[in-house]
Amino acid sequence: DAKTTQPTSMDCAEGRAANLPCNHSTISGNEYVYWYRQIHSQGPQYIIHGLKNNETNEMASLIITEDRKSSTLILPHATLRDTAVYYCIVRASNTGNQFYFGTGTSLTVIP
Amino acid sequence: KAGVTQTPRYLIKTRGQQVTLSCSPISGHRSVSWYQQTPGQGLQFLFEYFSETQRNKGNFPGRFSGRQFSNSRSEMNVSTLELGDSALYLCASSFDRDYNEQFFGPGTRLTVL
Repeated sequence: DAKTTQPTSMDCAEGRAANLPCNHSTISGNEYVYWYRQIHSQGPQYIIHGLKNNETNEMASLIITEDRKSSTLILPHATLRDTAVYYCIVRASNTGNQFYFGTGTSLTVIP
Repeated sequence: KAGVTQTPRYLIKTRGQQVTLSCSPISGHRSVSWYQQTPGQGLQFLFEYFSETQRNKGNFPGRFSGRQFSNSRSEMNVSTLELGDSALYLCASSFDRDYNEQFFGPGTRLTVL
């Protein structure tokens, strides 16, 4: 079962930073936070993951609060191609490749 | 290298029939997971295969089954199709079981009439 809560939808102006929040108040010590996104009619795409430290890659940054009960995915300069459903997922290590996706946030980047 | 491929891409069946979907993972990937996506239930985990063995199973009835071959290719089967089985079926592969990144295929769109 999904253990995360995300807003249903968000808008962001093109070129601005998109900040997508996620609450995971029941996260356990061995659970990681993952972000995937799904562009319409495609399979989900991995973005980033982290345990407790902030993480950055070429796609995005992940900010995890100190108590690990929430996190924020940041797309620094949103483009129209970033319009997608973004899923925040928590998953423990050593549990195999099953991800519970939840309902996600539908991000619309506006020109 | 080639991505995850799924065949067929589209399929129309009638109630009571059975269907087999195929997934070819990225070369070298040994773990294959299957998901069902519907507008009402979203993305739901079906099962995961690794080294030809089912490792995890989601909350789906026994009509949903799968298998993995020695070359890591996987098939899933749905018997006695119901209207509610209409969905996008997605396959994902990863290098290993606890690998962080799964690579998803484009999916098979199944319509049950």
